[in-house]
Amino acid sequence: TQLLEQSPQFLSIQEGENLTVYCNSSSVFSSLQWYRQEPGEGPVLLVTVVTGGEVKKLKRLTFQFGDARKDSSLHITAAQPGDTGLYLCAGVNAGGTSYGKLTFGQGTILTVHP
Amino acid sequence: SAVISQKPSRDICQRGTSLTIQCQVDSQVTMMFWYRQQPGQSLTLIATANQGSEATYESGFVIDKFPISRPNLTFSTLTVSNMSPEDSSIYLCSVVGFGVVGYTFGSGTRLTVV
Repeated sequence: TQLLEQSPQFLSIQEGENLTVYCNSSSVFSSLQWYRQEPGEGPVLLVTVVTGGEVKKLKRLTFQFGDARKDSSLHITAAQPGDTGLYLCAGVNAGGTSYGKLTFGQGTILTVHP
Repeated sequence: SAVISQKPSRDICQRGTSLTIQCQVDSQVTMMFWYRQQPGQSLTLIATANQGSEATYESGFVIDKFPISRPNLTFSTLTVSNMSPEDSSIYLCSVVGFGVVGYTFGSGTRLTVV
């Protein structure tokens, strides 16, 4: 069974601070996705990283995929209260009976205080 | 990306009864999944809804408890049968469209069993 270890589980920071969320696995996924979820809503896809070493930027968010495609990170610069939410990494399974299934990390609850 | 209508958005049910959750997509999709989530926590995959055939269940989930239908490429239902308070959770459907890399999630059904 493939597992994704996501850390930290909780982050409480002040507006303007930077933060990084980590997602690590002992196995390789075909790609890795990051989602953000707000209360009462489903997760919304932020980005998909596919290639080892890939870096993607989405405004103040920077996503990295490790060279070995086993780990990823999400870095937020100058966090704002609107960034508050549950952040989830998810590995996409490419083969066999697990094709298309997502394996989720434990999630990171981010709270940005004004 | 696909637009999902998931109903009901929430319900309070008596133990021993059953609830059917509907997931309607505005376009044809290749894969449909059902997840369970405790508030503020990660998602656990219940099953993959297969069109015209029996769903594929993950370890710990069985058809008698969570019967799933998928009569076509745009619609699926999940029934939570013989409910107990332990079934109180958020249930989400997710879809992957043709040629789409990302996954779209419904807004979820918040179920409380009393």
